[in-house]
Parts: sequence; C-alpha cells; structure tokens
Amino acid sequence: AAGVIQSPRHLIKEKRETATLKCYPIPRHDTVYWYQQGPGQDPQFLISFYEKMQSDKGSIPDRFSAQQFSDYHSELNMSSLELGDSALYFCASSPSTLRGTGELFFGEGSRLTVL
Amino acid sequence: SQQGEEDPQALSIQEGENATMNCSYKTSINNLQWYRQNSGRGLVHLILIRSNEREKHSGRLRVTLDTSKKSSSLLITASRAADTASYFCATDAPGGYQKVTFGTGTKLQVIP
Repeated sequence: AAGVIQSPRHLIKEKRETATLKCYPIPRHDTVYWYQQGPGQDPQFLISFYEKMQSDKGSIPDRFSAQQFSDYHSELNMSSLELGDSALYFCASSPSTLRGTGELFFGEGSRLTVL
Repeated sequence: SQQGEEDPQALSIQEGENATMNCSYKTSINNLQWYRQNSGRGLVHLILIRSNEREKHSGRLRVTLDTSKKSSSLLITASRAADTASYFCATDAPGGYQKVTFGTGTKLQVIP
C-alpha cells in the first residue's frame, strides 16, 4: 500500500541558508500535517492543511512557510536556517472523519542538519 | 505548552511483564491516540479512543480514557523485546480537527 513519501531523507545546510522539504501524502487523504522533532524531544506540531487550504498553525517560526499544491503534495520552506532548526521533520496525512481527527499516517521523516 | 504529558518518561521491564504508560492532557478532546516510534523513525499509530469511550482493546494493547481526570493509560501486556520504542499520546480538540498535539513520550525498554 502507498505510504507517505518525504524527500529528501537527509539534508545538510549551512546557517542562514534555505531548505525545502517535500511531502507526498497517501492518495485520497485530505489533511496533511508537519511536525518538527528535535533530538530526544516530542514531535512539535508546525502546521496543517485541509483540502489544500491552511488549517491550523502551531509553533512554526515566521522563517518557515508551507503550502499544499493542487496535486496534494506539500512543501515546507525554511529560510535563514539556524543551528536550532536541526531536527527530524515529519509529514503525516490523514483522511478526515465525521468524528474528529482520524489516524495519522507518518512518513519516515527528513533529517535536517544545520552546520 | 504541551497538551499531553507522559508518565513515566522512561520504563525498563523484563520480557513477559506488563508495561503501563500514562498520559495527561489539559483541554477537552474529541479523540486521543497512542503512537509508537522506533528511534529516528516515523510514528506508527497504535490505537484511537474517542472521548465518549472509556476503554479499548487491540491485541496486547489496552487503552483507558478518563475525561473527568483528563488522563489516559496504555497497557501493553506480555511485553516483547520488539516492543522497545517510545510511546506517545496525541490529542486533538473540538473545532481543531487538523491540530494534533503530541505529549512528551515514554521510552520503553523491554529486556529479553
């Protein structure tokens, strides 16, 4: 079965550079989530999209932006990178239900290292 | 601030024993979910319990939910070495279907 695809899996950048992460959700899933997980930390909710429209925002820095395209893939853009941005970035997708959030399906993550 | 707080943060048990992890949250919820994460890997969904449910079972997993205390517990029975992982609870909120917040996680080690 198709899973959530994230690319690249690993990315190394210098401080102040820009990075773009991509996410391809499971077909027919209408919600996409982005999470940031630092070493030994819990996943922090960044932002979500429902049917290509931004839905909810969490602790996403102003230097970060995201969007969902017409083919439902999503991109997380991070500018002016800082050392503290080094983390695993997860994308998840979910089908919506009539009774709250359904199961989230996670990709394997993109590991960003900022030097 | 975190919506969910896990307790304990780390747990080490022998294979065959039961493992219990607890989660507390702060606001009202629609659903509470439990996820498992192997080191450096993506999270995997284990079980979802709705706010009007009190207990749910799935194989060796048993989840309870007490909305009056804003807490949930995950019981893994007859643990195996392969259960070694971090376990997180996650909650959404009424009107916030697209915002799912994770707690701090319990790191479980099952010793063969």
